[in-house]
Amino acid sequence: DAGVTQSPTHLIKTRGQQVTLRCSPKSGHDTVSWYQQALGQGPQFIFQYYEEEERQRGNFPDRFSGHQFPNYSSELNVNALLLGDSALYLCASTSGLKAVGSYNEQFFGPGTRLTVL
Amino acid sequence: RKEVEQDPGPFNVPEGATVAFNCTYSNSASQSFFWYRQDCRKEPKLLMSVYSSGNEDGRFTAQLNRASQYISLLIRDSKLSDSATYLCVVNKGVLTGGGNKLTFGTGTQLKVEL
Repeated sequence: DAGVTQSPTHLIKTRGQQVTLRCSPKSGHDTVSWYQQALGQGPQFIFQYYEEEERQRGNFPDRFSGHQFPNYSSELNVNALLLGDSALYLCASTSGLKAVGSYNEQFFGPGTRLTVL
Repeated sequence: RKEVEQDPGPFNVPEGATVAFNCTYSNSASQSFFWYRQDCRKEPKLLMSVYSSGNEDGRFTAQLNRASQYISLLIRDSKLSDSATYLCVVNKGVLTGGGNKLTFGTGTQLKVEL
């Protein structure tokens, strides 16, 4: 049973460029969340996708956008890259928001390490 | 003020020692609480959930105090393999619109030495 997979593993871009990161959720999961983890910090929530719609969003600018496909995989796009966007980008998957008040464990992928020069 | 605050690290302890991590959270609507472990340059992995009644998993004991908005993790008889960063994590839950959004602390690095 494959876990959460992400591609690419590493990426180097220059300021002003655009980047697309990809995530395939764990088998049986339909909800994907994206997190940004800067060096020495905990992961920060970017947004969450369920049923191909953005359901929640953290405190990130519109330069960060995403998409979820019918097969539940997801993409994170970042436009006009800044030096401060250098971080580990983590994708996490879980089962959907079915039961009010419940929590379903999120499983994280290995991340994509983005360096902006 | 950060939503989740943890002890500053790193903690350097000898093998066999008992080490305690503390965490406070600011949002009283938070519903679920966790400790995650993150090895260097790897993804976070769930170590254990935290309940008000306290829960234990082998050498690990977690405790939640809702009145004080305080979470703790105790590691007894620490091993070299326990060396990692320990992240305190809070979830507001679906009822309060948090869904499965996790809020992480900055993490505390633990180094267990011979």
